[in-house]
Amino acid sequence: GIQVEQSPPDLILQEGANSTLRCNFSDSVNNLQWFHQNPWGQLINLFYIPSGTKQNGRLSATTVATERYSLLYISSSQTTDSGVYFCAVDKNYAGANSKLTFGKGITLSVRP
Amino acid sequence: AAGVIQSPRHLIKEKRETATLKCYPIPRHDTVYWYQQGPGQDPQFLISFYEKMQSDKGSIPDRFSAQQFSDYHSELNMSSLELGDSALYFCASSQLMWRETQYFGPGTRLLVL
Repeated sequence: GIQVEQSPPDLILQEGANSTLRCNFSDSVNNLQWFHQNPWGQLINLFYIPSGTKQNGRLSATTVATERYSLLYISSSQTTDSGVYFCAVDKNYAGANSKLTFGKGITLSVRP
Repeated sequence: AAGVIQSPRHLIKEKRETATLKCYPIPRHDTVYWYQQGPGQDPQFLISFYEKMQSDKGSIPDRFSAQQFSDYHSELNMSSLELGDSALYFCASSQLMWRETQYFGPGTRLLVL
């Protein structure tokens, strides 16, 4: 199956700092999503970004599908950004056994 | 906007008991997915349904079964529970034909004692 690698595995930031989280995948994909899992366990959709660049407030993401990686940028980090960030991909076309394969996640701790 | 609803949110069971988890997808979403997330692990795909038919199966134990009903809600039935079944169970839904985002519910936290 498709492999998803996220780096770095852990990240500690001072509040206000910027960061870049990386996701590499082993095959072409038709779906790539970034999630934030908060301390209560909820998986919050950040981006649906199989290709291109998107921005939402302090967060932005870029996926270079031809080079099989995606980047999540967090600017001016806040303590509420703490948690685990997952990248998940689906290599199948919709309607053909579509399912997400998750990376191991990146644990982000933002210190006040 | 309406989100995916899961019930119950928390469940405590004894070994060898059964459990039923319910999922109500976002209105007009035709596909439901179930994922299991063990402690400190990433979510793992269990099973999916498209238009009430099973569409794909992942690493789901034979002790587990699931179905999607005519109103598109789905239930995950778990029998002969084991300690290792303690996990967070997520349901997600999407509108498959548009190749859209999978939207995740809040999860059901199952603890097997």
